[in-house]
Amino acid sequence: KQEVTQIPAALSVPEGENLVLNCSFTDSAIYNLQWFRQDPGKGLTSLLLIQSSQREQTSGRLNASLDKSSGRSTLYIAASQPGDSATYLCAARNSGNTPLVFGKGTRLSVIA
Amino acid sequence: GAVVSQHPSWVICKSGTSVKIECRSLDFQATTMFWYRQFPKQSLMLMATSNEGSKATYEQGVEKDKFLINHASLTLSTLTVTSAHPEDSSFYICSVLGGTDTQYFGPGTRLTVL
Repeated sequence: KQEVTQIPAALSVPEGENLVLNCSFTDSAIYNLQWFRQDPGKGLTSLLLIQSSQREQTSGRLNASLDKSSGRSTLYIAASQPGDSATYLCAARNSGNTPLVFGKGTRLSVIA
Repeated sequence: GAVVSQHPSWVICKSGTSVKIECRSLDFQATTMFWYRQFPKQSLMLMATSNEGSKATYEQGVEKDKFLINHASLTLSTLTVTSAHPEDSSFYICSVLGGTDTQYFGPGTRLTVL
């Protein structure tokens, strides 16, 4: 059964810093992996989707990488801003018709 | 625009009552929908997989008689929390499988049971 772990659970950085959020998964035979953002009391916003055949995806200041062999993904945020403060969730899917399995998230605070 | 809608967005009810949450797929027909719940400061945990025209598949530890799922059409799945108790207070989120690549998530329903 797929399990997803995210480290650290919480992170506080000063504005402008580059940072990396880590995600690991136990079953390397994933179909795809997705990173989400969740603001307090709100739903999910999809940030990046990486297919199993891809190594990375980029969107603006965000870059997500995928290393299936080691069971790891990272989300890199460049030049962090206070507006980036949120919980970031990593989720993996094992096949095209199975649901995403979520990690517990990393709660990010960017201090102005 | 939104691909998945949920109604209501929040609900407060008394202990012992039943609450129905609707999940609608707005842009396409959805044979499969998923229901998750999220307790405060926890991650999303899959509760059940809802299949149109057949019985839902529940995850281990989720009581199927307490959380009734009906997926009667290709655009609507409902989750009914029966005889709700304070420990059922949570954020319930539905998700629709769009094609084979992407899960689209509803905005969630916050349930508070007094």
